[in-house]
Amino acid sequence: EVQLVQSGAEVKKPGESLKISCKGSGYSFTSYWIGWVRQMPGKGLEWMGIIYPGDSDTRYSPSFQGQVTISADKSISTAYLQWSSLKASDTAMYYCARPQLRYFPDAFDIWGQGTMVTVSS
Amino acid sequence: EIVLTQSPGTLSLSPGERATLSCRASQSVSSSYLAWYQQKPGQAPRLLIYGASSRATGIPDRFSGSGSGTDFTLTISRLEPEDFAVYYCQQYGSSPEYTFGQGTKLEIK
Repeated sequence: EVQLVQSGAEVKKPGESLKISCKGSGYSFTSYWIGWVRQMPGKGLEWMGIIYPGDSDTRYSPSFQGQVTISADKSISTAYLQWSSLKASDTAMYYCARPQLRYFPDAFDIWGQGTMVTVSS
Repeated sequence: EIVLTQSPGTLSLSPGERATLSCRASQSVSSSYLAWYQQKPGQAPRLLIYGASSRATGIPDRFSGSGSGTDFTLTISRLEPEDFAVYYCQQYGSSPEYTFGQGTKLEIK
């Protein structure tokens, strides 16, 4: 079964760092892009960025460039989303998602279960 | 960056009725790289339509997509109780670059 399994919920303080993960299984991890999507409480979906684990080619939405870092470790089929200094406005659900097609940044047909990040003093 | 505007913001209909949701792009979406997703509370989004009009695996045929260029439509021919949810359009492409619309909430009248 193809699936993405994300790390568990996090509660952090402003200024702290954080790295959340998304582990792929059941498919060739290095052949598909993996994207990250933010959903703030009660709000819509926002595309943050995407990485191709095969060569670590990474692209960011202009809204998130410089705010987060996306990476991947293909040896353990895991993608990451990290912050160096969290803000309260980073409180949101974060989803990883995989496109339908190998090699091409297609529509996302496989989604992780989401990681809730809460930033509060 | 392409901006997607969905309308209406909320649509109130009854089971059995037909739903028509709109997604308008600020510039032409290349190769009809337009997708639709359904999201229910507490769940991850689910892909319904890709390539503007192709149904994803396992999606009932009451869901259909149409359109090209800057205007796209998701139609649900006969609403079932489980169809009441939030729907998002998304453009994607080879850059790669993605954008979501702000969503349409389909609620029971």
